[in-house]
Amino acid sequence: EAGVTQSPTHLIKTRGQQATLRCSPISGHTSVYWYQQALGLGLQFLLWYDEGEERNRGNFPPRFSGRQFPNYSSELNVNALELEDSALYLCASSPRGVEQFFGPGTRLTVL
Amino acid sequence: AQSVTQLDSQVPVFEEAPVELRCNYSSSVSVYLFWYVQYPNQGLQLLLKYLSGSTLVKGINGFEAEFNKSQTSFHLRKPSVHISDTAEYFCAVSDGSARQLTFGSGTQLTVLP
Repeated sequence: EAGVTQSPTHLIKTRGQQATLRCSPISGHTSVYWYQQALGLGLQFLLWYDEGEERNRGNFPPRFSGRQFPNYSSELNVNALELEDSALYLCASSPRGVEQFFGPGTRLTVL
Repeated sequence: AQSVTQLDSQVPVFEEAPVELRCNYSSSVSVYLFWYVQYPNQGLQLLLKYLSGSTLVKGINGFEAEFNKSQTSFHLRKPSVHISDTAEYFCAVSDGSARQLTFGSGTQLTVLP
């Protein structure tokens, strides 16, 4: 069974640009979660999507947004990039339960 | 609101020695508890989970953890570590309704030859 996949593996942007990160969940999983792992800040919850709708949001500004598609894959968009957005962005998927399975992450570098 | 405290940021231990990584949590409701491992430049892999039932939970790679409700702890243990266990370990909690995980700050386990 294929795990959670994320693309791209690495992404380099300059300040002020927009970044789009993609996530494909495990087949049969309807929930997708996004987390940010920034140096010195640990793992922080960003967004939770289930059945195409945003269910919960962490303490991040509105320039962090996303969506979930009918096939349950998801996009995370970060607008007006700032230097402190540089981080590893992890996506996780879950069936209708609490256990989450993580992808390998996208490393975003903002110059 | 929930929080997780991992008391040790770094734990060095010699190969084949036992290890315990400590985790304490705070929550006003019943929780689900998890330990994840992260190898360099990789995502998180689930080691074990406590959802309900027996308080002693066995996971992959010989790890186990014990849920102690009165002490609000969920410490991770392994009786004999290997070099390959060198990684960062994260304790996490979920209250089930909000679903997202709240993570501790992580413990870097370094196994020395």
